[in-house]
Amino acid sequence: GAVVSQHPSRVICKSGTSVKIECRSLDFQATTMFWYRQFPKQSLMLMATSNEGSKATYEQGVEKDKFLINHASLTLSTLTVTSAHPEDSSFYICSGGVSDTQYFGPGTRLTVL
Amino acid sequence: KQEVTQIPAALSVPEGENLVLNCSFTDSAIYNLQWFRQDPGKGLTSLLLIQSSQREQTSGRLNASLDKSSGRSTLYIAASQPGDSATYLCAVLGQGAQKLVFGQGTRLTINP
Repeated sequence: GAVVSQHPSRVICKSGTSVKIECRSLDFQATTMFWYRQFPKQSLMLMATSNEGSKATYEQGVEKDKFLINHASLTLSTLTVTSAHPEDSSFYICSGGVSDTQYFGPGTRLTVL
Repeated sequence: KQEVTQIPAALSVPEGENLVLNCSFTDSAIYNLQWFRQDPGKGLTSLLLIQSSQREQTSGRLNASLDKSSGRSTLYIAASQPGDSATYLCAVLGQGAQKLVFGQGTRLTINP
């Protein structure tokens, strides 16, 4: 099946710094990628839909200036959490779409001190 | 707006039992429904995908059914094993929609 990777798998940073998370589709081209956020013992919350070569579409309540998304190629989308604060600590998961199926990455655990 | 609900939120059963996880959705105009497994601190593993025209899908000890008209899906796990312990999520893809809508998940614990 199609494989999606994320890097890093875990990151700890100080409050006020920016963190970049990469999402790559390894063996397929994903014109659309999705970024989710998951709090402990809760379900996935869609943050934004990332389309290659165009601006991302953010869900209601998600700050686009805080969560910068870039989808520069058909195999790479990045999420940058700018000026991170402790409340941004969460598990971030991306997925890439092929036809009507999404393939999920292994997730990135972000801890902001 | 599509809403997906999973019941129960948590379930603990002894090894060997057959069990059923439930998923309901409010808008029956779906393209497909998918069941995922998530281990603690990990990403999602797709288990079964049911197209809107299908009634069920089977993979090994897993069987997923779909009743689109009533807005329900079930995931049946036969002869449960401790390795089945995980959180199970269902998600629906609406017709014409790109994004999946997830349920809250069921945390399953199989006791040896």
